[in-house]
Amino acid sequence: GESVGLHLPTLSVQEGDNSIINCAYSNSASDYFIWYKQESGKGPQFIIDIRSNMDKRQGQRVTVLLNKTVKHLSLQIAATQPGDSAVYFCAENMEYGGSQGNLIFGKGTKLSVKP
Amino acid sequence: DADVTQTPRNRITKTGKRIMLECSQTKGHDRMYWYRQDPGLGLRLIYYSFDVKDINKGEISDGYSVSRQAQAKFSLSLESAIPNQTALYFCATSDGQDYSGANVLTFGAGSRLTVL
Repeated sequence: GESVGLHLPTLSVQEGDNSIINCAYSNSASDYFIWYKQESGKGPQFIIDIRSNMDKRQGQRVTVLLNKTVKHLSLQIAATQPGDSAVYFCAENMEYGGSQGNLIFGKGTKLSVKP
Repeated sequence: DADVTQTPRNRITKTGKRIMLECSQTKGHDRMYWYRQDPGLGLRLIYYSFDVKDINKGEISDGYSVSRQAQAKFSLSLESAIPNQTALYFCATSDGQDYSGANVLTFGAGSRLTVL
């Protein structure tokens, strides 16, 4: 079946370094992708999104890259800070009229930032 | 106050008991969702509702039921709780897909349920 998954379940980086979190998706019809951040004891929070007609989108200290050829999504965090420690989820939005826009979530990657 | 409020935040119960998790939102969104989170499995959709008269099953609806009492309220019930329903439950809302297909969810803080 269709799925969204992550290559690495855990990632540990040094404070100040850049972080790259990866995600693979299998449904070529997905047209929208979102990254969420979940801090301990909290619900997931929206970070950044990207549409399938784009290959890169930048936010504040975060960049999402989309490679539709290999169905791969990545989240890059620049100058990682202790407050970035969290579990990061990617999610894909099925095409309009299919699953009514419901998101399919990946399993998550835990990012730990070492001081 | 939080945009999406879940109660209770934590609950321990016994097998066979009926449990209700409640969710209320101040976002004014039409769409509401219940997700379940288990370690290593991500978020899985249980039920969703696009308006007060609309209820839809998600990926893992067996053993659960929902009620959309008002636009702002969406409750999840476990009629007879079992241990493998021990999980973290999240309510979420959205105002649906925009012109680009985006459907951004706003999540509550979660309700941790333990079934003994």
